[in-house]
Amino acid sequence: KAGVTQTPRYLIKTRGQQVTLSCSPISGHRSVSWYQQTPGQGLQFLFEYFSETQRNKGNFPGRFSGRQFSNSRSEMNVSTLELGDSALYLCASSHRSLSTDTQYFGPGTRLTVL
Amino acid sequence: QKEVEQDPGPLSVPEGAIVSLNCTYSNSAFQYFMWYRQYSRKGPELLMYTYSSGNKEDGRFTAQVDKSSKYISLFIRDSQPSDSATYLCAMAKDNYGQNFVFGPGTRLSVLP
Repeated sequence: KAGVTQTPRYLIKTRGQQVTLSCSPISGHRSVSWYQQTPGQGLQFLFEYFSETQRNKGNFPGRFSGRQFSNSRSEMNVSTLELGDSALYLCASSHRSLSTDTQYFGPGTRLTVL
Repeated sequence: QKEVEQDPGPLSVPEGAIVSLNCTYSNSAFQYFMWYRQYSRKGPELLMYTYSSGNKEDGRFTAQVDKSSKYISLFIRDSQPSDSATYLCAMAKDNYGQNFVFGPGTRLSVLP
């Protein structure tokens, strides 16, 4: 079974630009969660989509948004990029909504904002 | 005070040693406790998952939860160089993880 895939793996943007990241979950998984990982703040929950609906949301500004398609693939968008948005963005998929015991992470997209 | 505290390390041990990794937390509402392993340039991988207090063993790994002390531990027996990674603790109030909180991670190096 193929794992969670994320594209692109690396991205360099400048302040003020916007970026879209993509996540393809494990086949059959309907839940996709997004996380931001930085050395200072660690791993922080952004939001979760389940069957195309946002189910849960973390404590991030509205510049961070996402969506999920009917095939469960998900995209995350960050508008008006700031230097502090430089991070590893991880997505995780699971069968059930934010199921803590069956969550599989992708390799992440490393975003650098200059 | 952060909600979850974890010594960032790095922690270096010789091959074969017993490794003890720990997290403390402040929110008594946490019921579900997880340990993840993250290799460099990879996403976290769930290692252990426990509910409430008690011990759970899986091969060389043992997870302990002491809710009265708000303290969780992961023990690795007969550590191997392949165990070299960052270990993240995480906890949640319910099984649907609406308030996932992760520790900052401890970097472990097991030296051959």
